[in-house]
Amino acid sequence: EDQVTQSPEALRLQEGESSSLNCSYTVSGLRGLFWYRQDPGKGPEFLFTLYSAGEEKEKERLKATLTKKESFLHITAPKPEDSATYLCAVQAWGAQKLVFGQGTRLTINP
Amino acid sequence: DARVTQTPRHKVTEMGQEVTMRCQPILGHNTVFWYRQTMMQGLELLAYFRNRAPLDDSGMPKDRFSAEMPDATLATLKIQPSEPRDSAVYFCASGLARGGNQPQHFGDGTRLSIL
Repeated sequence: EDQVTQSPEALRLQEGESSSLNCSYTVSGLRGLFWYRQDPGKGPEFLFTLYSAGEEKEKERLKATLTKKESFLHITAPKPEDSATYLCAVQAWGAQKLVFGQGTRLTINP
Repeated sequence: DARVTQTPRHKVTEMGQEVTMRCQPILGHNTVFWYRQTMMQGLELLAYFRNRAPLDDSGMPKDRFSAEMPDATLATLKIQPSEPRDSAVYFCASGLARGGNQPQHFGDGTRLSIL
């Protein structure tokens, strides 16, 4: 069974303090790994898709990386507006559905 | 920006009542997904459609839940009869299934409370 585990569950940082979120996964055959951001009362907002080990994607202060067992979301010099829950999901070959982790709730204090 | 639209945004009703949630996918998308989000279980897939045909509804309690796509611009999720354990946020997402791997785009959900 495909599975995604995210850590930590919650992370509190000071503005400007860089850190990383982890997403460990097991999947029968990885078609894609997705990162989403979710704000309170909103639906998940797509950030990145990663397809193969070694791949990296960047968007503003965020960079996502992928290995054969895990993905990291690196946040460089975060700002309070980066506060949100970050969700990781995997899609297996031959499947349309996404299997989500429980998310990491990130808080950036000014 | 094109968005997935869900109605209603909030619904409070009593146990035993029928609940209907609606979703307008992004124009041109050919896959539609229904997810449920709770604190305990996170995001779980209930059902999905491709080109309006149901492909997988294994995540739904069959006796009370039903999902349909009457046309390409409308997907519905019904619960009858509703129970308190159905209280959750229900998300619709749409995507474009083709050769490449396209992301799913989510609406802002229907927050359902069953009393």
